Amino acid sequence: SYVLTQPPSVSVAPGQTARITCGGNNIGSKSVHWYQQKPGQAPVLVVYDDSDRPSGIPERFSGSNSGNTATLTISRVEAGDEADYYCQVWDSSSDHPGVFGGGTKLTVL
Amino acid sequence: QVQLQESGPGLVKPSQTLSLTCTVSGGSISSGGYYWSWIRQHPGKGLEWIGYIYYSGSTYYNPSLKSRVTISVDTSKNQFSLKLSSVTAADTAVYYCARVGAVAGTVWFDPWGQGTLVTVSS
Repeated sequence: SYVLTQPPSVSVAPGQTARITCGGNNIGSKSVHWYQQKPGQAPVLVVYDDSDRPSGIPERFSGSNSGNTATLTISRVEAGDEADYYCQVWDSSSDHPGVFGGGTKLTVL
Repeated sequence: QVQLQESGPGLVKPSQTLSLTCTVSGGSISSGGYYWSWIRQHPGKGLEWIGYIYYSGSTYYNPSLKSRVTISVDTSKNQFSLKLSSVTAADTAVYYCARVGAVAGTVWFDPWGQGTLVTVSS
């Protein structure tokens, strides 16, 4: 089945830009979705279809996807952005289509 | 806006069947256009897709769980349900229900229910 690889942790100072990567074989050919999960809460979709934002998600959240790496970028990071972030793809060519990355803990210093 | 809420026992004995229900409010399952999914998260771990269902009853399951999973829908109650048989401690997890968004062959999950912790223990 398809494997998505995320760094376990990323740290950034408030006001700076955080970049969280999601690696996969030719992931640029797939659509990538990103979720934010704060402690004790359910995941929330923050980016879908590589770079689209659901309504209510700040413009500070953006996504890109090319080659073997997809990236979630959070600009002007705030303390409230501290959370786990998961990437996800739907590999329709696989018999195991619903795939999540292992998650990245974003720490705001 | 659509909201989802999971319900069911928080403790299940080994070898028994885990049963959960997701109640959808703010929208009708039978209006079509969306699939409805179950996802779980083992304690301190990542997310695992379990399966999804359409209002018509058509389903698609994670092959890793397919032999033990049944997802069903009750449009009259605006609910869909999960049954997982022959559970072991490895099935201890927070179980989430979510609406499936899809376009051009890709699938995402939004929104999610708050989740419910199910512990498998005697």
